[in-house]
Amino acid sequence: QSVLTQPPSASGTPGQRVTISCSGSSSNIGSNTVNWYQQLPGTAPKFLIYSNNQRPSGVPDRFSGSRSGTSASLAISGLQSEDEADYYCAAWDDSLNGPVFGGGTKLTVL
Amino acid sequence: QITLKESGPTLVKPTQTLTLTCTFSGFSLSTSGVGVGWIRQPPGKALEWLALIYWDDDKRYSPSLKSRLTITKDTSKNQVVLTMTNMDPVDTATYYCAYRHWEGFDYWGQGALVTVSS
Repeated sequence: QSVLTQPPSASGTPGQRVTISCSGSSSNIGSNTVNWYQQLPGTAPKFLIYSNNQRPSGVPDRFSGSRSGTSASLAISGLQSEDEADYYCAAWDDSLNGPVFGGGTKLTVL
Repeated sequence: QITLKESGPTLVKPTQTLTLTCTFSGFSLSTSGVGVGWIRQPPGKALEWLALIYWDDDKRYSPSLKSRLTITKDTSKNQVVLTMTNMDPVDTATYYCAYRHWEGFDYWGQGALVTVSS
């Protein structure tokens, strides 16, 4: 059981916009910034979003993040087949004194 | 260019101690704000944070595994070592080390699959 809650799966067709939610609590998302990671099949996770909505260099602007209260979301617009991957949210948890991850969402491009 | 690579045994027996080494390049673990963390992922399951060490030797551990974990750094060798005692088959996972600068894990190693079996 992960500390942050994500839907196990999401799907969309090419060109569509999809969103993935991440629910936490006051000790993590409610008081700290949210990160998102993309894990393509058989590879290590890749840093996708930091500080709730900032993209590291090289990440396409099709990816965007937001946070409100104790929840966050990742939006992917103009969905492409290469976006098919697992997506994880994460945030620092003040109670656990370390970072916590969500359970991951498997995105399927139909 | 920041790179990290995990090394260690691929197979350990139950009750044994696992020692994993993360060798990195492209940054210094003596730079303010920099840290190296360990994260694992059982086959088909989610990411789980294990431990984190910062430039000032501040160490953080997952509360659920704290009694079994030790993280150390050797700045001169550009290495971070994680030891996990009393290994169990449920600890079978891919173990990643990752670079952290203030927030998030910016760069990850390729991962090392560790199987716990007699």
